[in-house]
Amino acid sequence: NAGVTQTPKFRILKIGQSMTLQCTQDMNHNYMYWYRQDPGMGLKLIYYSVGAGITDKGEVPNGYNVSRSTTEDFPLRLELAAPSQTSVYFCASSPNGAVGYFGPGTRLTVL
Amino acid sequence: AQKITQTQPGMFVQEKEAVTLDCTYDTSDQSYGLFWYKQPSSGEMIFLIYQGSYDEQNATEGRYSLNFQKARKSANLVISASQLGDSAMYFCAIPMDSSYKLIFGSGTRLLVRP
Repeated sequence: NAGVTQTPKFRILKIGQSMTLQCTQDMNHNYMYWYRQDPGMGLKLIYYSVGAGITDKGEVPNGYNVSRSTTEDFPLRLELAAPSQTSVYFCASSPNGAVGYFGPGTRLTVL
Repeated sequence: AQKITQTQPGMFVQEKEAVTLDCTYDTSDQSYGLFWYKQPSSGEMIFLIYQGSYDEQNATEGRYSLNFQKARKSANLVISASQLGDSAMYFCAIPMDSSYKLIFGSGTRLLVRP
């Protein structure tokens, strides 16, 4: 199993650009999550999903959108990127909503 | 609302010694769990240990153990026989609002000295 994979690993965006961060898991987990980690801080939940077709907001959803059309994929969309969205983004999945298996992260810089 | 606090931004420990990383929490949920994760300099998040609030015995996983004190609302991570590879950031986390959404503390950076 590859576990949780994320692409890209790094990305630089200009203010106002849009992009999609990809997340795929091959463990057939129902629960999937997107977190962001700002420098020197803990993780904050952006969005989560308890199964295909079901998504909900976390602590910091503004400026982001998600979709969950399949069990495996949970892409995160940034519309109109802002410098405040400079962060490391982690995708995670879980079989039972408890322990999270994290992807390697995407480091995003918005200039 | 849930709140989780890690008061030690950084700590040092001598190799082969034990170290305790503090975590206090505030929750109104009757049933909850407490997670600890490790984040090495490479950046990935690694699950270490979990304990549910109704578990009577403190959880242990190899050299990691949880010192769970519900009355004090603390769930400290104890690492025994520290190794150089234990140098990392450590985060505790608690579910938000009886859900499966975790909120994380700000982390403790541990440096193991040879």
